[in-house]
Amino acid sequence: KQEVTQIPAALSVPEGENLVLNCSFTDSAIYNLQWFRQDPGKGLTSLLLIQSSQREQTSGRLNASLDKSSGRSTLYIAASQPGDSATYLCAVRGTSGGSYIPTFGRGTSLIVHP
Amino acid sequence: EAGVVQSPRYKIIEKKQPVAFWCNPISGHNTLYWYRQNLGQGPELLIRYENEEAVDDSQLPKDRFSAERLKGVDSTLKIQPAELGDSAVYLCASSRQGANYGYTFGSGTRLTVV
Repeated sequence: KQEVTQIPAALSVPEGENLVLNCSFTDSAIYNLQWFRQDPGKGLTSLLLIQSSQREQTSGRLNASLDKSSGRSTLYIAASQPGDSATYLCAVRGTSGGSYIPTFGRGTSLIVHP
Repeated sequence: EAGVVQSPRYKIIEKKQPVAFWCNPISGHNTLYWYRQNLGQGPELLIRYENEEAVDDSQLPKDRFSAERLKGVDSTLKIQPAELGDSAVYLCASSRQGANYGYTFGSGTRLTVV
């Protein structure tokens, strides 16, 4: 069974810092990995989708990397802003019996203070 | 394109009462997911539909939970009777069919059972 771990569980930083959020998974047989952002009381907003054949994806101040062989992904946030405060979740789409089982981590709760 | 639409946004019911959640996926997305998210946890898959066929429903508590996706578009998730432990956010997501696509989530329904 795929297990997804996100470290750290919580992070509080001053505005302007560059951040790295980590996501690790136990089964490297994946199709893709997706990073989401979740604001309190809201649904999940997709940030970046990395296919298993890709090494990284970039969108604005966000960069996500994937090392499938070691079961790791990182989300890099450049020049953090208070508006980046949210919970960040990674989801791994693997295979189980031929179906596509998406598995989530518990998330990293980020607070960026002015 | 319109996003994934869920209703209601909030629901408070007494234990042992029935409750239903509704989801309208993005047009053209054949795959639909229902997730449950407890406070401080990542979403956990309850059931996945490919068109109107339910697959990957091993985490669905079938004694009290039921789901349907008539005509392969809208979906309804029902709980009857609800228990205190069912209090959570119920999230619906959809994606195009196939392993290479990411997911789009709705805003979720926050259920409180008292």
